[in-house]
Amino acid sequence: EAGVAQSPRYKIIEKRQSVAFWCNPISGHATLYWYQQILGQGPKLLIQFQNNGVVDDSQLPKDRFSAERLKGVDSTLKIQPAKLEDSAVYLCASSTGTGMYQPQHFGDGTRLSIL
Amino acid sequence: KQEVTQIPAALSVPEGENLVLNCSFTDSAIYNLQWFRQDPGKGLTSLLLIQSSQREQTSGRLNASLDKSSGRSTLYIAASQPGDSATYLCAVSLNTGNQFYFGTGTSLTVIP
Repeated sequence: EAGVAQSPRYKIIEKRQSVAFWCNPISGHATLYWYQQILGQGPKLLIQFQNNGVVDDSQLPKDRFSAERLKGVDSTLKIQPAKLEDSAVYLCASSTGTGMYQPQHFGDGTRLSIL
Repeated sequence: KQEVTQIPAALSVPEGENLVLNCSFTDSAIYNLQWFRQDPGKGLTSLLLIQSSQREQTSGRLNASLDKSSGRSTLYIAASQPGDSATYLCAVSLNTGNQFYFGTGTSLTVIP
């Protein structure tokens, strides 16, 4: 089965610019997660979708970050405007459901560098 | 707020050694605990999941234990191989929500 696909793999932008990341989860997976992983730290959950509805976005900086999953399949995460502290790897993961026994399958991530 | 700590931050061992990675967490009301592996430039791969009612899980050369009362988990790797070189992360989820709280990871290097 195909894994979680993310693009682009790398992105370099200047501060105050906008950027968008795309994620295509494993086919049939209802739950989709976006994580931010700063260098030397563990991933931090930004937002969790169940189909096209938001389950948890409590740690999403909503003044600059937005995410959508319009048709309950693929998803985009946007940052506008970007700050230096947004430099990180953005990981997308998917699972079959919201149950904590459902393993999450991760993509390879998008590495964002802010100049 | 749940705090997850992993010690040591980095570990280097010769091939064939048995080793233990440590994970500690501050809130014992966890739903489950998972150990992940992360290779450079890659996402995370789940290794073992321990439910809150369990004490340990085993998969091949890996054994993970959980002591909720003391807020600790260990990942034991037997007969280490160079291919085991990676960063190992533990994550806990709380009874109150779906969110995983990750530790900062232990970077393991197995020297041939």
